[in-house]
Amino acid sequence: SQTIHQWPATLVQPVGSPLSLECTVEGTSNPNLYWYRQAAGRGLQLLFYSVGIGQISSEVPQNLSASRPQDRQFILSSKKLLLSDSGFYLCAWSLFRDRGNMNTEAFFGQGTRLTVV
Amino acid sequence: GNSVTQMEGPVTLSEEAFLTINCTYTATGYPSLFWYVQYPGEGLQLLLKATKADDKGSNKGFEATYRKETTSFHLEKGSVQVSDSAVYFCALSDFQIQGAQKLVFGQGTRLTINP
Repeated sequence: SQTIHQWPATLVQPVGSPLSLECTVEGTSNPNLYWYRQAAGRGLQLLFYSVGIGQISSEVPQNLSASRPQDRQFILSSKKLLLSDSGFYLCAWSLFRDRGNMNTEAFFGQGTRLTVV
Repeated sequence: GNSVTQMEGPVTLSEEAFLTINCTYTATGYPSLFWYVQYPGEGLQLLLKATKADDKGSNKGFEATYRKETTSFHLEKGSVQVSDSAVYFCALSDFQIQGAQKLVFGQGTRLTINP
């Protein structure tokens, strides 16, 4: 069965410090990978997605970046955190959707609660 | 662009009450629709889904029907339990780029069930 691991679960970082959140998926190959953010009192916003190693698409301009150094590894980074980066970050994966696979759901990790102080 | 509008929360009910959480969407084409649930301190779990008009998704006593004519996907449960307390998100699948699946979420509805 497929599993998704995300860490750390919680993180408190000072403004201006770097960030690295990691996500790995097991039990599947060539997944599509996603980073979402849930700000306090708001819904989820897609930040980045990737359809393959080294391929990153950004949905919104921001202070964050993403990388996919391996097929099942997705990393969210920042060189200098801002207060506005605080939130709950969720990694997710889905299968590649084509004519042979119409499954459309995404599977989420447990999330990382980031507080920038 | 595509969007999802959810019933404002929080919603507080007594155990065994009937639950409805409204969800309407705006989309071009024929998106798939989902309900995700987030229990305290956890990530999101898929609760149910529907991939085409008139489909009914169901799971754990929850149901939702894909209504194209009213662009709605309301979540219902006949008798809620304390363990159903969570935040519920309605979502739709947006365009696929190179096979990627982009989900557009509603704001979420916090549900609290009192014993």
